[in-house]
Amino acid sequence: DTEVTQTPKHLVMGMTNKKSLKCEQHMGHRAMYWYKQKAKKPPELMFVYSYEKLSINESVPSRFSPECPNSSLLNLHLHALQPEDSALYLCASSQGGRGTKHYEQYFGPGTRLTVT
Amino acid sequence: KNQVEQSPQSLIILEGKNCTLQCNYTVSPFSNLRWYKQDTGRGPVSLTIMTFSENTKSNGRYTATLDADTKQSSLHITASQLSDSASYICVVSGGLYGNKLVFGAGTILRVKS
Repeated sequence: DTEVTQTPKHLVMGMTNKKSLKCEQHMGHRAMYWYKQKAKKPPELMFVYSYEKLSINESVPSRFSPECPNSSLLNLHLHALQPEDSALYLCASSQGGRGTKHYEQYFGPGTRLTVT
Repeated sequence: KNQVEQSPQSLIILEGKNCTLQCNYTVSPFSNLRWYKQDTGRGPVSLTIMTFSENTKSNGRYTATLDADTKQSSLHITASQLSDSASYICVVSGGLYGNKLVFGAGTILRVKS
């Protein structure tokens, strides 16, 4: 299984809602990532988990809260979002550890988020 | 400053024709360079990955080249198909362990029949 899955595919939420995005992989990867991608722009890194510990937070606002319950799952909890947070949210995973191939990232299909 | 620049920004070609996309980078230290294909609204899919010592790598009709001296890479698509219409993103991995990804803005390719 070389797939990263993400749910839901689409999400529409109001600014006062609380929702969660989910990501799952069963490749035995130990590093997982959240990216935000606006239209016609490259993905922007938000968070990196390495061996289930948060290793990188790219100064993301606290209304985005990541969680890594186990090595296969990655969640992104959303609360009090703004309309400008509407974007495609991508999850990725990689083997982890040192060395080139260990950082080969596999991306999920993304969740299209719309904040109204 | 670590940067990846891609050209052209967009490209329209006829089905069956070949095309070449360019990527210039200033990422240091360099670990590897990847080309991804991203369909609209979908996640990027890896096409090729090359390290410092590799000059060329192929994946079906896709051939990537790397010149580490001039810090340039190209992606050549042969006999284009309608399904090749997508954004092609050049990503350079840097940092001591290759864990810092720097994304290019992408080239939007449209293949017409």
